[in-house]
Amino acid sequence: DIQMTQSPSSLSASVGDRVTITCRASQGIGYHLAWFQQKPGKAPKSLIYDASSLQSGVPSKFSGSGSGTDFTLTITSLQPEDFATYYCQQYTSYPYTFGQGTKLEIK
Amino acid sequence: EVQLVESGGGLVQPGGSLRLSCAASGFTFSSYWMSWVRQAPGKGLEWVANINQDESGKYYMDSMKGRFTISRDNARNSLFLQMNSLRAEDTAVYYCARIYCTRTSCYYDYWGQGTLVTVSS
Repeated sequence: DIQMTQSPSSLSASVGDRVTITCRASQGIGYHLAWFQQKPGKAPKSLIYDASSLQSGVPSKFSGSGSGTDFTLTITSLQPEDFATYYCQQYTSYPYTFGQGTKLEIK
Repeated sequence: EVQLVESGGGLVQPGGSLRLSCAASGFTFSSYWMSWVRQAPGKGLEWVANINQDESGKYYMDSMKGRFTISRDNARNSLFLQMNSLRAEDTAVYYCARIYCTRTSCYYDYWGQGTLVTVSS
């Protein structure tokens, strides 16, 4: 199975900040990586697919990059509604696997 | 508007069975792969199973193979997850998700709100 490791596990930031979350795959996955946002008690929301493509309706403050084993999610100009938990996921092979999550909190 | 609405969760004893449903609307259900993903309380997301458009392809997490069965009814725009021999560690919110496929990749785009399954005596 492909292991997905996110860092950091938690992150404190202020409104207006720019943050970057990293996701590393235990083996190469090409660009088959997605990012999701999840707020407490809510379903995940799809943000990015194919490492860097924005899902429809997702603001351009979210961006993704990377290929192979190393990927990043960057969020600019943080707003209160951006504070949530973020997950990466690989879909290059079964079983699909998710990172453990990064909790983004308000400083 | 794409909508996925799960139902069928609840409290079940260890060793028991439960059948989850996901009602889809707002898109041509029969054209899409579908998936179940779960999340144990306070934990991360875990993939459960995928199914292709005509049920000829079904894929499962190893720990659920033989106990869980994914299926669909395209005439009723519905996705199902039959769960047997349930264990305490199967306690989770179960999400239904749509998979969008291009020529080169297949990825999640829409998610349901989830249904809670609690396995306890």
